Amino acid sequence: GESVGLHLPTLSVQEGDNSIINCAYSNSASDYFIWYKQESGKGPQFIIDIRSNMDKRQGQRVTVLLNKTVKHLSLQIAATQPGDSAVYFCAEKEYNNNDMRFGAGTRLTVKP
Amino acid sequence: NAGVTQTPKFRVLKTGQSMTLLCAQDMNHEYMYWYRQDPGMGLRLIHYSVGEGTTAKGEVPDGYNVSRLKKQNFLLGLESAAPSQTSVYFCASSFTLLVNEQFFGPGTRLTVL
Repeated sequence: GESVGLHLPTLSVQEGDNSIINCAYSNSASDYFIWYKQESGKGPQFIIDIRSNMDKRQGQRVTVLLNKTVKHLSLQIAATQPGDSAVYFCAEKEYNNNDMRFGAGTRLTVKP
Repeated sequence: NAGVTQTPKFRVLKTGQSMTLLCAQDMNHEYMYWYRQDPGMGLRLIHYSVGEGTTAKGEVPDGYNVSRLKKQNFLLGLESAAPSQTSVYFCASSFTLLVNEQFFGPGTRLTVL
């Protein structure tokens, strides 16, 4: 069946560097792609979303890129900080559907 | 403003026992959700509710029941717990279906022996 997945389960970066977390999706019908951050022992926290008719969206220190041709989504974090250490999930959702499908997650570790 | 709260934080059950997980939100959200999170996997939707008195099945509803008697509360029940239901359970809420931001509670870690 169609699913949302991630290329890498772990990512380690140096503090101050930029981070890029990747996600592959297969559901062509998805209207939204969403990134969540989950810190240890906490529930996921919304970061940013992008609509399927866009290819780029920027937030505070984060940028999400969407490539529909290859069904690829990425989250870029600028000037990564220790507080960015967490598991990052991509998710996809159709417009009128309550079922948000999550990928397995990538663990980001920021080295001081 | 507490956001989304879950009770209890931890629970250990024996196979066949029943229990209810309570979720409460104080943001006046219409939509509420129950997810489970297993190691190495993303969250999977169990049941959801689009308003008081309504519930619907998600991706993995078997073995669970839910109720939304009050707008601010969403209960998840396990009638006869099985080891396969060992997981971390998260409740979430959102204002509308059209908003992708869901607010999550801190989770309940459930172990079924």
